[in-house]
Amino acid sequence: NAGVTQTPKFRVLKTGQSMTLLCAQDMNHEYMYWYRQDPGMGLRLIHYSVGEGTTAKGEVPDGYNVSRLKKQNFLLGLESAAPSQTSVYFCASSYGWGWSNQPQHFGDGTRLSIL
Amino acid sequence: TQLLEQSPQFLSIQEGENLTVYCNSSSVFSSLQWYRQEPGEGPVLLVTVVTGGEVKKLKRLTFQFGDARKDSSLHITAAQTGDTGLYLCAGEETSGSRLTFGEGTQLTVNP
Repeated sequence: NAGVTQTPKFRVLKTGQSMTLLCAQDMNHEYMYWYRQDPGMGLRLIHYSVGEGTTAKGEVPDGYNVSRLKKQNFLLGLESAAPSQTSVYFCASSYGWGWSNQPQHFGDGTRLSIL
Repeated sequence: TQLLEQSPQFLSIQEGENLTVYCNSSSVFSSLQWYRQEPGEGPVLLVTVVTGGEVKKLKRLTFQFGDARKDSSLHITAAQTGDTGLYLCAGEETSGSRLTFGEGTQLTVNP
C-alpha cells in the first residue's frame, strides 16, 4: 500500500519555465489537496478537490492550476515559474468531509527551486 | 480563512524535560488535529480532538482541546530524542472542507 505518491521528488527550474507535479493516491479517497510549505509559515493550501472532475481555490492559488481527471490523481501545474514559488510542495488526500476525525494523508513532498 | 497561531516556534530542551506547545485562534474549529513531521517526509497525524475540553493521551503525549474549541495544547512528558520533529496543529474549519495549519513548532530534544 503506497498511500500518497508524489513525483518528482526534486526539481530545479528556471524562471518562466512550466512544469506539472503529479500526486497519486491508492486509498480511494475523495478529497485531495495541494499545499506549499515555507519556513515559519506552516502549510498553506493552494488548491483542493472534493471529487473527480472538481477543483477549488485554497489560500494561495495564484500562479498555479490543478486538474483532477481521475479520482486517484491530482495534478498541480506551474504555467510560468517564479522565484517566489520556490518551496516544498505537499499533496494530501482524505476520505471526505461529511464527518469529523478525517485525517489527511500526506506524500513526502516535492522540493522545487526556481532560479 | 481562520487563523491558528502556534507557540513557541522553536524549542530546544534536554532529554527528560517536559514541554508544552500551544495552538491558539480567535475562531471556533469543528475539530483540531495534531501532526508530526520529520525531515524529508510529510506530516503524519498524531491525534484528533473533537469535543470542547477533551483530553487525549498518546503514551507520553497529552493533547487538550479548549472548552470553547478555539485553542489546543500538546504536552510531552519526559521528552526523548526520538520526539524531535516539527509539530503542526491544524483546525477543521466550520465553514469549509479544509484544514487551517499553524506555523509549526520545531522541537529538538538533546541527549
